[in-house]
Amino acid sequence: QLQLQESGSGLVKPSQTLSLTCTVSGGSISSGIYSWSWIRQPPGRGLEWIGYIYHSGSTNYNPSLKSRVTISVDRSKNQFSLKLSSVTAADTAVYYCTRDATDGTSNWFDPWGQGTLVTVSS
Amino acid sequence: DIQLTQSPSSLSASVGDRVTITCRASQSINTYLNWYQQKPGKAPNLLIYVASTLQSGVPPRFSGSGSGTDFTLTISSLQPEDFAIYYCQQNNMTPWTFGQGTKVEIK
Repeated sequence: QLQLQESGSGLVKPSQTLSLTCTVSGGSISSGIYSWSWIRQPPGRGLEWIGYIYHSGSTNYNPSLKSRVTISVDRSKNQFSLKLSSVTAADTAVYYCTRDATDGTSNWFDPWGQGTLVTVSS
Repeated sequence: DIQLTQSPSSLSASVGDRVTITCRASQSINTYLNWYQQKPGKAPNLLIYVASTLQSGVPPRFSGSGSGTDFTLTISSLQPEDFAIYYCQQNNMTPWTFGQGTKVEIK
């Protein structure tokens, strides 16, 4: 059974860079048909897709965050990572990693990691 | 970006009630629409994909329908474990976007 687990710093100072890693177990991140996404949820609010990456390294970012986001993949460790630069309090959120499952035409997020809260504060 | 508007934003219902949640897209998204359930402190969980396909392991009291711009999620007989927030999400065009959520509460 595929499982995802987020890890990284839970407290980041304003203007610094948020860094998170998602470790995939029970399957290979190099499976060609899937992409791997980061999604965030500010406390008490809705869900925002941040971006995805394929095992090849090809990425697609939400334009609202594109100038500050980098998603990378480490196939040898079966991990993918998120970096978000120049953070502010508005970036405080629970960050989830997930797989973009697909039937070749449509895709959906499944499964999800449990999420990790990142707080931006001095 | 494609905007998804859910209605209602919240509802109160009793166990056994039939519940319907709607999701309207700002432009046609064919059937590229998914539904998720989120319980407090937990990650969202996929219920339905491609508008009407039930995810494995999801009880058949959940169903989805629609295409184009108008979609519905129906719970045929609400159970205690169904009290949660429900989100629709489109994958017609990036950036993938979510509805604002519908909170289903106990009456």
